[in-house]
Amino acid sequence: NAGVTQTPKFRVLKTGQSMTLLCAQDMNHEYMYWYRQDPGMGLRLIHYSVGEGTTAKGEVPDGYNVSRLKKQNFLLGLESAAPSQTSVYFCASSSRLAGGNNEQFFGPGTRLTVL
Amino acid sequence: GENVEQHPSTLSVQEGDSAVIKCTYSDSASNYFPWYKQELGKRPQLIIDIRSNVGEKKDQRIAVTLNKTAKHFSLHITETQPEDSAVYFCAARPAQVPGKLIFGQGTELSVKP
Repeated sequence: NAGVTQTPKFRVLKTGQSMTLLCAQDMNHEYMYWYRQDPGMGLRLIHYSVGEGTTAKGEVPDGYNVSRLKKQNFLLGLESAAPSQTSVYFCASSSRLAGGNNEQFFGPGTRLTVL
Repeated sequence: GENVEQHPSTLSVQEGDSAVIKCTYSDSASNYFPWYKQELGKRPQLIIDIRSNVGEKKDQRIAVTLNKTAKHFSLHITETQPEDSAVYFCAARPAQVPGKLIFGQGTELSVKP
């Protein structure tokens, strides 16, 4: 099993450009998440999904959109990139086991720089 | 809103000493508290977790304690080794949203040989 994978690993954008980050998981997890990680600020939740076709806003959703058309994929879109979106982006997934601890499994991250 | 505060932000210890990282959470209904370790350039990985109906859990050199009344939980690492050097994150799961975690700001632990 590959676990959670992210594409691309690195990307440099100019202000105003758009892009999509792809997350894929092969663990049949119901829940998926997108975080951004900035120095001294921990992992902040951007958007998340509790199932195929459903998404919800996290702590810092502005400037991002997401889609979950297939259970195994969760896409994060930046419509008009800004320098403030320079960050490392992590995708994660977890199972919806009843009474379970919902351990989140993380992808390797995408380092995005917006000039 | 939901919030998790983590202290200290940096911690430096000598090899063999103990390290303690503390977190407080705001949502009294939170019911699950994991700790993640992130080595430089790597992804966060779960190292230990505790549910709200348990006060303490231990796994070899690491342990976590939970005080629900004070809304406070801590990570304890004994006999630290250089390979323990990493950033550690605490998190809390609000009861209202299944699966969602609120993370602390992280603690950079440095273990000096």
